Amino acid sequence: EIVMTQSPATLSLSPGERATLSCRASQSVSSSYLSWYQQKPGQAPRLLIYGASTRATGIPARFSGSGSGTDFTLTISSLQPEDFAVYYCQQDYNLPWTFGQGTKVEIK
Amino acid sequence: QLQLQESGPGLVKPSETLSLTCTVSGGSISSSSYYWGWIRQPPGKGLEWIGSIYYSGSTYYNPSLKSRVTISVDTSKNQFSLKLSSVTAADTAVYYCARHLVGRGYYWGQGTLVTVSS
Repeated sequence: EIVMTQSPATLSLSPGERATLSCRASQSVSSSYLSWYQQKPGQAPRLLIYGASTRATGIPARFSGSGSGTDFTLTISSLQPEDFAVYYCQQDYNLPWTFGQGTKVEIK
Repeated sequence: QLQLQESGPGLVKPSETLSLTCTVSGGSISSSSYYWGWIRQPPGKGLEWIGSIYYSGSTYYNPSLKSRVTISVDTSKNQFSLKLSSVTAADTAVYYCARHLVGRGYYWGQGTLVTVSS
């Protein structure tokens, strides 16, 4: 099983600041099979990024993804009030498909 | 527009079987290349993939749950279902159904809370 480890667990930032979230895989994952999700309280997760760097439909350009191999990054260039949420990475390169434990982006 | 809606009991007794159904609208469950799956989230915790069924009928389960899980599809009703047997309090979670295209991410239902308690 590929274990996805996200860091930090919590990121405390102010609106307008840049957020950098990390996701590390326990073994190499093809970048084609790495996705990022946003989840707000009481809501289902929403797909932000697939293929490590491709924004899903309707996702603002302030969200960007990068990385390869075992290290992937989600960057939010300038945090908006609606961006404070929990973010998950996920791989579907190998079964069982697995998620990271999440990074909470909170208002400082 | 694609919509997925979970339904089933919100309360299940320990040792019994949890049964949920996902009704798909705005798209065919027989569409090629798609997986139809279940993911759960215990209160305050992260996401766990339970298993998926491919459009061809092949099933894939998380090894941690494999002995207790069955996922099936009813193409005539455009639905797929989850059965999880011998539940305990540790199975209390929000259960999401989702459409999954490998490499393209999940499209989620709204989720349904299932509590295991006597």
